[in-house]
Amino acid sequence: DIVMTQTPLFSPVTLGQPASISCRSSRSLVHSDGNTYLSWLQQRPGQPPRLLIYKISNRFSGVPDRFSGSGAGTDFTLKISRVEAEDVGVYYCMQATQFPYTFGQGTKLEIK
Amino acid sequence: EVQLVQSGAEVNKPGESLKISCQGSGYNFNTYWIGWVRQVPGKGLEWMGIIYPGDSDTRYSPSFQGQVTISADKSLSTAYLHWSSLKASDTAMYYCARLPGVVTYAYFDYWGQGTLVTVSS
Repeated sequence: DIVMTQTPLFSPVTLGQPASISCRSSRSLVHSDGNTYLSWLQQRPGQPPRLLIYKISNRFSGVPDRFSGSGAGTDFTLKISRVEAEDVGVYYCMQATQFPYTFGQGTKLEIK
Repeated sequence: EVQLVQSGAEVNKPGESLKISCQGSGYNFNTYWIGWVRQVPGKGLEWMGIIYPGDSDTRYSPSFQGQVTISADKSLSTAYLHWSSLKASDTAMYYCARLPGVVTYAYFDYWGQGTLVTVSS
């Protein structure tokens, strides 16, 4: 199985400041079709997960442009340019390039 | 509008059988893979498996193969997750989620609201 490792696991951030979460995979996530199926999900307290970013850097419909994704191969990053109060929650990276799909452990974002 | 609506919370005893559901609307249910994801209270997300309702092609995570059965009823636009004999360790929130097309390599774009399953004697 591909292991997804996120850092940090806990991220206290000041409102209006940037935040960054790293996700590393144990093997390359490049699919034979040339795409990389790395996505980022947000889970607010008491809510189901919500897709933020797909295929490394594509924002899903309705996602604010303060969220951005980057990376390649085995190293990926989610950035929030200016954290707002509604961004509190747990963020997961997920790979669906190869079975079984796997998730990172999650990064808890809190406001300082 | 794409929606996945899951059945309500369940409380069951060890050894009982259970089937929970996920009904899709706002899109052609038959032509999109639907998956199931487990979240034990206070823990992370675990992928269980996916099903293509059009032909019931199903793929399981090795961790869940033989532990659960995923099925779908095209006529009801509904996917199911079934246990034949629940264990206390099955206590968790279960989410259904959709893959955005006919291929299995993708991402989950829409999620259900979750079904909490509690197994306790």
